[in-house]
Amino acid sequence: QVQLQESGPGLVKPSETLSLICTVSGGSISSYHWSWIRQPPGKGLEWIGYIYYSGNTNYNPSLKSRVTTSVDTSKNQFSLKLSSVTAADTAVYYCARVRGRIAVAWGQGTLVTVSS
Amino acid sequence: AIQLTQSPSSLSASVGDRVTITCRASQGISSALAWYQQKPGKVPKLLIYDASSLESGVPSRFSGSGSGTDFTLTISSLQPEDFATYYCQQFNSYPAITFGQGTRLEIK
Repeated sequence: QVQLQESGPGLVKPSETLSLICTVSGGSISSYHWSWIRQPPGKGLEWIGYIYYSGNTNYNPSLKSRVTTSVDTSKNQFSLKLSSVTAADTAVYYCARVRGRIAVAWGQGTLVTVSS
Repeated sequence: AIQLTQSPSSLSASVGDRVTITCRASQGISSALAWYQQKPGKVPKLLIYDASSLESGVPSRFSGSGSGTDFTLTISSLQPEDFATYYCQQFNSYPAITFGQGTRLEIK
């Protein structure tokens, strides 16, 4: 069974770039498609982007100008970069395996706080 | 972006009750809707996809229905482990995927 684990800094300064990695275990990253989803504390869910195993991507238009994702098949990892962050980007960030357009397996999530 | 409005925003119910949560889309989304359950401090879990298909391993007391703009999630007989927040998600307007604001189901 595929498992996912997010990693990265828990604190990012405003205007800087948030960088996270999702490590996939129990299966090949090349066998599935992947996504990033976030959840501000006490609030609802927001879809960030979709990463095909080929490396092709699609992003939520509301974040597209600031988001970059990539896949490293040699490490069985994929990554998220979100630039020019503000306090509004403070959230728990989840990586997920997707089937079609739905998230069928989630990482545990990592809280990223944007603060100086 | 397509907006999803869930009602009610919160709900109190008792074990054994039949519960229905509604999700309304701001425009038609065919059957491109999923439902997730999230318990406090936990990761969301997929319950229903394509509006009415039960995800493998999910108890049959959960069911989904609807198409177009109006959708429902029904729990036929509430169990103690069902008290959680439920979210709908539309993927018709991919990549502009959106979620509803959530419905918090509490114990009466």
